[in-house]
Amino acid sequence: DAKTTQPTSMDCAEGRAANLPCNHSTISGNEYVYWYRQIHSQGPQYIIHGLKNNETNEMASLIITEDRKSSTLILPHATLRDTAVYYCIVRGENNAGNMLTFGGGTRLMVKP
Amino acid sequence: KAGVTQTPRYLIKTRGQQVTLSCSPISGHRSVSWYQQTPGQGLQFLFEYFSETQRNKGNFPGRFSGRQFSNSRSEMNVSTLELGDSALYLCASRLLVAGGKDEQFFGPGTRLTVL
Repeated sequence: DAKTTQPTSMDCAEGRAANLPCNHSTISGNEYVYWYRQIHSQGPQYIIHGLKNNETNEMASLIITEDRKSSTLILPHATLRDTAVYYCIVRGENNAGNMLTFGGGTRLMVKP
Repeated sequence: KAGVTQTPRYLIKTRGQQVTLSCSPISGHRSVSWYQQTPGQGLQFLFEYFSETQRNKGNFPGRFSGRQFSNSRSEMNVSTLELGDSALYLCASRLLVAGGKDEQFFGPGTRLTVL
């Protein structure tokens, strides 16, 4: 699976949009971009995933560049409860394997 | 629908002992994976079980082992514990579906402390 690069930490004001970038320049054509987050003392939580088109769900939006070498997770109105470590993961569609390779993630601090 | 449950939530052992951790996946999920999380190494994949068979294995020594039962519940065992095995052990289950979506559901973890 392709390697990802994320900033170590970011701050965001409560109520504002949080934009979390991720670089995955070695992504291959059949690999998806997944985002998970881990709130302190809890297990990781799935947020969203995409292949090439932008995606939106009730939690967030995922913007993937046309060349697919980077993406941005957008939390449109960050709340204090969104403070967490956010992991960007790239993996192929491979139902024979379930391994998620977590990098260091981005520690998002939402401030009042 | 109940989430992934892990028992025990906290455990204290001493070096040289062995430990068994348990994970019950979401009903209907047949794939169970285990991860180790430490401050130094982050989240690392241990192994995955599907239909009672190990399908993938991470880069961990043979002291780490696991198994899955016919009801999809899984256990992992660590023998001859070392101080460095102190970590949060997370279990994740998923419902295998074609088409790319690979949403894994994580349990709250078992925090193991080795003294």
